[in-house]
Amino acid sequence: QKEVEQDPGPLSVPEGAIVSLNCTYSNSAFQYFMWYRQYSRKGPELLMYTYSSGNKEDGRFTAQVDKSSKYISLFIRDSQPSDSATYLCAMSSGNYGQNFVFGPGTRLSVLP
Amino acid sequence: ETGVTQTPRHLVMGMTNKKSLKCEQHLGHNAMYWYKQSAKKPLELMFVYNFKEQTENNSVPSRFSPECPNSSHLFLHLHTLQPEDSALYLCASSQLLGGAAGNTIYFGEGSWLTVV
Repeated sequence: QKEVEQDPGPLSVPEGAIVSLNCTYSNSAFQYFMWYRQYSRKGPELLMYTYSSGNKEDGRFTAQVDKSSKYISLFIRDSQPSDSATYLCAMSSGNYGQNFVFGPGTRLSVLP
Repeated sequence: ETGVTQTPRHLVMGMTNKKSLKCEQHLGHNAMYWYKQSAKKPLELMFVYNFKEQTENNSVPSRFSPECPNSSHLFLHLHTLQPEDSALYLCASSQLLGGAAGNTIYFGEGSWLTVV
């Protein structure tokens, strides 16, 4: 079983839709969770950073963590064509020196 | 200006060439990383440096040679590469090493490498 799993997509939605992007993981030691957005031919850009279970909102983006299910989500409200990108989840244990673990990414396409 | 700057953005090299990728971070971070990103594959961690000392070499072939002269600069020297080495090479930095509590990793724009 891979440490972090993410549906690669592509996921196509109409403009204005609510998008749900998800990752599952197997290591119960993970406590810190990140979402990155990567536009084509660019580096990943940090979108959200959350700690432990619960929700965190930032504008149109909401990150949700359910540690009991080892499941994290990123919701995008009122999706825009400019949201078309690959979304990577990442997580860490909080232990100094242990590496971040990244999901393979989900490609999202928001159609005008 | 982004916090992590990579040059060149694009590089085409022959299998017998020697070239280098350069990374500079302006964030005052102590840890720097090289990642490889190939099509439809997750990010692959290659090298990690902390306070300019290498802390991890993730079984990377010797045709990739990193250099970290100080905490702000990181190089990846390339020689006798193979076509399968064509990929996006991403430099990243973080305040602390790895997944420490509260630590986040910031990426540069990447260097697109094509080996012909």
